[in-house]
Amino acid sequence: DQQVKQNSPSLSVQEGRISILNCDYTNSMFDYFLWYKKYPAEGPTFLISISSIKDKNEDGRFTVFLNKSAKHLSLHIVPSQPGDSAVYFCAASGGGASGSRLTFGEGTQLTVNP
Amino acid sequence: EAGVAQSPRYKIIEKRQSVAFWCNPISGHATLYWYQQILGQGPKLLIQFQNNGVVDDSQLPKDRFSAERLKGVDSTLKIQPAKLEDSAVYLCASSGRTGDLETQYFGPGTRLLVL
Repeated sequence: DQQVKQNSPSLSVQEGRISILNCDYTNSMFDYFLWYKKYPAEGPTFLISISSIKDKNEDGRFTVFLNKSAKHLSLHIVPSQPGDSAVYFCAASGGGASGSRLTFGEGTQLTVNP
Repeated sequence: EAGVAQSPRYKIIEKRQSVAFWCNPISGHATLYWYQQILGQGPKLLIQFQNNGVVDDSQLPKDRFSAERLKGVDSTLKIQPAKLEDSAVYLCASSGRTGDLETQYFGPGTRLLVL
């Protein structure tokens, strides 16, 4: 039962353009969503989060959008840089920012070409 | 500030053998997590400790996996006996505040291959 799905295993974009990574979830009890970035041979690092009471959260070049009715969220990176090349994981939790365990998606490999 | 340390970084064993992984969290972090990440999947929580007590081990296969966190600092995760499907990266993470999802810091992981 895959409750968090990232349907695109990989994405390739040109430097300077927008990267859009998508994530869908099925559990309506999820109320807090996070994006993690992972470089090879390193553990995931927290990137940005959003609570279900919001539909958008922005941090510099990174913006996360949440569409609760569609159970869909997306991460926008503008402009994309070669250093953004990594695996991006979407994760969800029920119980807010101090909530229960994280459920991760499968990840999307982003490649930003110079 | 030193990050989460894990050892070994790589381990190759044969099925039915035993293996143990070690984790040293960030100093002062009371909450410690072990995750299993199978190739092509996201991390899955195996067990969460608060100091040396277990908070959540509902997804830990207790017939073969065990974990302990003596003195509320370092932790070890053991698999006995290992199966082929245990091949994965085992990630340790720690957090300074109970259940704070945004401040989970992950270690580099231990990559296990079971032959």
